[in-house]
Amino acid sequence: SAVISQKPSRDICQRGTSLTIQCQVDSQVTMMFWYRQQPGQSLTLIATANQGSEATYESGFVIDKFPISRPNLTFSTLTVSNMSPEDSSIYLCSVEIGLHYGYTFGSGTRLTVV
Amino acid sequence: GQQVMQIPQYQHVQEGEDFTTYCNSSTTLSNIQWYKQRPGGHPVFLIQLVKSGEVKKQKRLTFQFGEAKKNSSLHITATQTTDVGTYFCAGKGSNDYKLSFGAGTTVTVRA
Repeated sequence: SAVISQKPSRDICQRGTSLTIQCQVDSQVTMMFWYRQQPGQSLTLIATANQGSEATYESGFVIDKFPISRPNLTFSTLTVSNMSPEDSSIYLCSVEIGLHYGYTFGSGTRLTVV
Repeated sequence: GQQVMQIPQYQHVQEGEDFTTYCNSSTTLSNIQWYKQRPGGHPVFLIQLVKSGEVKKQKRLTFQFGEAKKNSSLHITATQTTDVGTYFCAGKGSNDYKLSFGAGTTVTVRA
């Protein structure tokens, strides 16, 4: 399996500001996935980040709100832009290493917008 | 994409008892995966099932994939306090690279 370093682990932000979350993987992966998990809820896929191309966003998520960078095969960032209290959530990155090992998740970023 | 439904949402179990959580998909899945998320933690991969009717065991956990590859179950025997957490199933469609997660079953254990 992979090891993912995700940071920050938590942050409290003012509404209207932006926060960039970073994920570093210890091996090269084609796709990285960004999820949102609201308190007590399941995981919702925000977008899939591919190296060298624009991210693919899921319904309900747009690039202007959640811009993603994928400069190489081991790193990605997700920015939560122009934040509002509704963006308070846990954000997780994940990768799939091989067909039999499932997804490995970062430790998550707990975001609170005040 | 497919929708994955999971029940029950909550499971309160007496220590030592057994319980089962169920997962159903609206479409046929190429595989189904199970994850455990401890309180305050992130999801951790438990197992993947690929074959129709497949059954896999991990100590006290038994995972099953239905014959039609549309449903799955996780059965835990002799529940322990270490089993506390939320168990998610997640399915992948035949031509899909994305996982769809169920709502999760949150397990609490009474000592």
